[in-house]
Amino acid sequence: EIVLTQSPATLSLSPGERATLSCRASQNVNNYLAWYQQKPGQPPRLLIYDASNRATGIPARFSGSGSGTDFTLTISSLEPEDFAVYYCQQRSNLWTFGQGTKVEIK
Amino acid sequence: QVQLVQSGAEVKKPGASVKVSCKASGYTFTGYYIHWLRQAPGQGPEWMGWINSNSGGTSYAQKFQGRVTLTRGTSINTAYMDLSRLTSDDTAVYYCARYTGNYYAFDIWGQGTLVTVSS
Repeated sequence: EIVLTQSPATLSLSPGERATLSCRASQNVNNYLAWYQQKPGQPPRLLIYDASNRATGIPARFSGSGSGTDFTLTISSLEPEDFAVYYCQQRSNLWTFGQGTKVEIK
Repeated sequence: QVQLVQSGAEVKKPGASVKVSCKASGYTFTGYYIHWLRQAPGQGPEWMGWINSNSGGTSYAQKFQGRVTLTRGTSINTAYMDLSRLTSDDTAVYYCARYTGNYYAFDIWGQGTLVTVSS
């Protein structure tokens, strides 16, 4: 099983700041990595697929990068609605998710 | 609009089974696979298996082999997840999700169904 390790566990930032979230895979997943946003009581929402492609309707402040084992989700300037938990997910070998990074208001 | 609507919360005793439904609307049901995932409190989602909504073919995560059964009813655009021999470790929110070939990702999710296993 491919294990995805996300860091940090919690990120405390203010609106308008830049958020940088990391996801490391236990083995090469090529670019088969997606990012999701989840708010309390809601299902995950697809943001990024194949490492760097925004899903339909996702604002340009969200961007993804990386390949192989190291990936990054960047939110260029945090809006109030961006404070949530973010998960990475790989599809190289079945499907697994990371444990999440919580972006909270500082 | 495109959506998946799941059945309501369930409370089950250890050893029992649970069946969760997932009704699709706003798109061609047989054109997409439906996956099932679950999420325990404070954890990331965990993949359980998928069903080909057209053929009915299935694939299950090894962890759930022999305990989970995925089925569908094409005339009513509904997928089902049946999990047997429940234990307290199965307490979680269960989701169905559409898997799209456009993104090879889960683009539409059901609202989730809380299954609580307690004696």
